Amino acid sequence: TQLLEQSPQFLSIQEGENLTVYCNSSSVFSSLQWYRQEPGEGPVLLVTVVTGGEVKKLKRLTFQFGDARKDSSLHITAAQPGDTGLYLCAGTSNDYKLSFGAGTTVTVRA
Amino acid sequence: NAGVTQTPKFQVLKTGQSMTLQCAQDMNHNSMYWYRQDPGMGLRLIYYSASEGTTDKGEVPNGYNVSRLNKREFSLRLESAAPSQTSVYFCASQRAGRSNQPQHFGDGTRLSIL
Repeated sequence: TQLLEQSPQFLSIQEGENLTVYCNSSSVFSSLQWYRQEPGEGPVLLVTVVTGGEVKKLKRLTFQFGDARKDSSLHITAAQPGDTGLYLCAGTSNDYKLSFGAGTTVTVRA
Repeated sequence: NAGVTQTPKFQVLKTGQSMTLQCAQDMNHNSMYWYRQDPGMGLRLIYYSASEGTTDKGEVPNGYNVSRLNKREFSLRLESAAPSQTSVYFCASQRAGRSNQPQHFGDGTRLSIL
């Protein structure tokens, strides 16, 4: 059973469209991280959110941490082919070990 | 900048064989981790080392052993490989464990067990 549920599992959109990826749990996390992974490589950190209700922006990417610190979302505006990849959310609990979601595979078609 | 280096990148084993996956980091990080990644299951923690000289079990430790050889190196050993251990293995390091600091990952070892 996955501690963090990500949805959707797969997402295929046209260049210029917007997309949102969700990460949900019944557990409270002290922080939540989003990683992006490209084929043949390891995950690379995009952002860490710590405070409930926190919103962080990274160029066209907007990350939100839920008020109760149980869920998070990643929104990409005007997606580009370079945004293609596997997006992983990971939560840290009291022992600070990371629990990963299964990931959302995003494909942006030119 | 090398970051986290994993060797080998690919390996095929027969059931029952043993092998050691190597990991080294050059960022002077204190904590190191071994994960496995399987389709539809994300990354699952096998073992971790919060600091040099310490190791602890993660979520899926059965069938594996680890050695924190020094601050830079953290190896993962499969004593008797089984087909269920076919996976992509990632090593990661972190400046300090028990923190929100990012983990830095290597590019993985793709292991197939026949």
